[in-house]
Formats: sequence, structure tokens, C-alpha cells
Amino acid sequence: GAGVSQSPSNKVTEKGKDVELRCDPISGHTALYWYRQRLGQGLEFLIYFQGNSAPDKSGLPSDRFSAERTGESVSTLTIQRTQQEDSAVYLCASSPRVLAGGLYNEQFFGPGTRLTVL
Amino acid sequence: DAKTTQPTSMDCAEGRAANLPCNHSTISGNEYVYWYRQIHSQGPQYIIHGLKNNETNEMASLIITEDRKSSTLILPHATLRDTAVYYCIVRVVSYNTDKLIFGTGTRLQVFP
Repeated sequence: GAGVSQSPSNKVTEKGKDVELRCDPISGHTALYWYRQRLGQGLEFLIYFQGNSAPDKSGLPSDRFSAERTGESVSTLTIQRTQQEDSAVYLCASSPRVLAGGLYNEQFFGPGTRLTVL
Repeated sequence: DAKTTQPTSMDCAEGRAANLPCNHSTISGNEYVYWYRQIHSQGPQYIIHGLKNNETNEMASLIITEDRKSSTLILPHATLRDTAVYYCIVRVVSYNTDKLIFGTGTRLQVFP
């Protein structure tokens, strides 16, 4: 079946411009996550959405970063007034609802959007 | 949040077992250990996870020490396609969050 998709795959922008990155989760997955991966490093958590609950935004690095999700579907990550340090691969993941007994399903990752800020 | 530390790189001969260690000495009692791998330019791929007991699936085995301060991922018969960066991860879950805390990863090179 279809996996997590992200668009665009690559984005080059000029410093100071706003960018929007899109994530289409796997159909039926209620949880959605955004991560950032700088060159040669592991992934950093940015934000978590679960159904209609308030999102966990604790990983967003500054108020220039925001994300929205409509219901249990598409999410957009917006970066305003981009800076060169925002250059990274932005990865989205989705996961089915938490299983009974406190067990959790794995997070399924998309291919990422490579953002380059000149 | 709990952190993980891993060796930067490892080599393994094709057909041999690859043993990838990880330290997570600050892990909390209800936090799971996860392993993902990332092949160049792709999103991370799930391998295995565990809480206290050793786990095995079709891809790998996970050995967690009794004090849960470290673990080892075992690929029993490494192939060239197993060349990737392997991430040891702590999954933090509470009533209002669910996040993977990644380490810096081990770059595994499998050679013929």
C-alpha cells in the first residue's frame, strides 16, 4: 500500500522567504510526527499530532516554525523568514492508533523534504 | 529526555553477525528502546523494539541488559544490503506526547 508521502522532495529558497512543506500520512493513521535531520546527524523531534488532541509542539526550535493538521489527514510545516541554519531534511512520520495494553505501533517515515536556504 | 550513545562506525564481513551496541543509561522505566536504520537519502526504516525482554523478529534480535542501561542490536547474517546508518532510539510516551529521541547513529559497512 501507499506509504507516507512528502512534497516537495527538494526545496531551495532564499534567506528570509517563507516555505511550506507538506506531508500526506498513511490512510487511517491518527498520529503524525515531524522531525528535522541536519547533515550527518540524527533526527530531532519537532511536533506530534494525535487525532483532535492538542499537539505537542515542544520540539519546534523557534516561533518561526509552525505546523497544522486538519483532522487525521494532511499536515503542513511552515517556516517563516527562513535562515541558513534551517537547511536540513524535514521528515514526516505517521502511526496507527495506540494499541490496547499500552503497546505502541511503529512510526512509518516518509522520504523527507530537503530544504536548502541560500 | 534520555539520550543514547553509539559508536560512530563499524565494519562487518558479509555473512557474519553484526553486533551494534548502544548505551542509554538515563532511560526511564516506561521508555522503550527502538532501532531504526537509514539507507542513504531514504526515510528511517523500523527494525525492532523492546522494553525489558530480549526480542527477535525476521530482521534482527535485540538484547537489553537487566538494568536496561544498554542494549545490542544483532543482525545474524549481514548482507551488503544491510549497509546503512543504524539508530538506537528511546521512545518517550506520555498523555500528551509521543516522540523518538535519536542518537547520532552507527554507520555499518558490510564488506564482501
